[in-house]
Amino acid sequence: QVQLQEAGPGLVKPSQTLSLTCTVSGGSISSGSFCWSWIRQPAGKGLEWIGRFYTSGNTTYNPSLKSRVTISVDTSKNQFSLKLSSVTAADTAVYYCARCMLYRPYYFDYWGQGTLVTVSS
Amino acid sequence: QAVVTQEPSFSVSPGGTVTLTCGLSSGTVSTRHYPSWYRQIPGQAPRTLIYSTNTRSSGVPDRFSGSILGNKAALTITGAQADDESDYYCMLYMGSGLWVFGGGTKLTVL
Repeated sequence: QVQLQEAGPGLVKPSQTLSLTCTVSGGSISSGSFCWSWIRQPAGKGLEWIGRFYTSGNTTYNPSLKSRVTISVDTSKNQFSLKLSSVTAADTAVYYCARCMLYRPYYFDYWGQGTLVTVSS
Repeated sequence: QAVVTQEPSFSVSPGGTVTLTCGLSSGTVSTRHYPSWYRQIPGQAPRTLIYSTNTRSSGVPDRFSGSILGNKAALTITGAQADDESDYYCMLYMGSGLWVFGGGTKLTVL
């Protein structure tokens, strides 16, 4: 059973960089069949896909966030990370990590429990 | 960027059948978008219900089914139960490694 767990600061100041990690257990992050994504959800609102990482350092980002997002991986720790720069109050949300299918049928099968990040001074 | 549309809210009577839809503001949803559906109880993480239009995720009862209806993807729940009350999100694969979620439908069972 694959499990994902998000971790990181719950409070970030405006204009700073939000940094989160997702630790994967029960499966290897190096598997070539999967990608690893971040999704967020502001309070009372819907889900927003942020981006994904897959083998050999490849990434794909939501065009609306692309200029501020970096997703990277640490295979030695079986972790992947999210960095979101120049944050504002609009970036306050629950952030989820999830495993995605790199090939069809292109969906998310395992999700983390989510972590709340608040942007405030 | 494409906008994925869902009904903001829907209600169904216990035992009844409800169909939630997932459309594209700019066109038609097809199987090539590999529609998937996720259920989220407030305060919890989403759980996968349906992927690739109509394939149920492991452990999902057959009361839940997916399809393409006209130009939209659809999630049908038959024999609705009280604990089906939840938020339901569809997601479409837009190609080139990009996904877009719909705004979600809040389903009430009463």
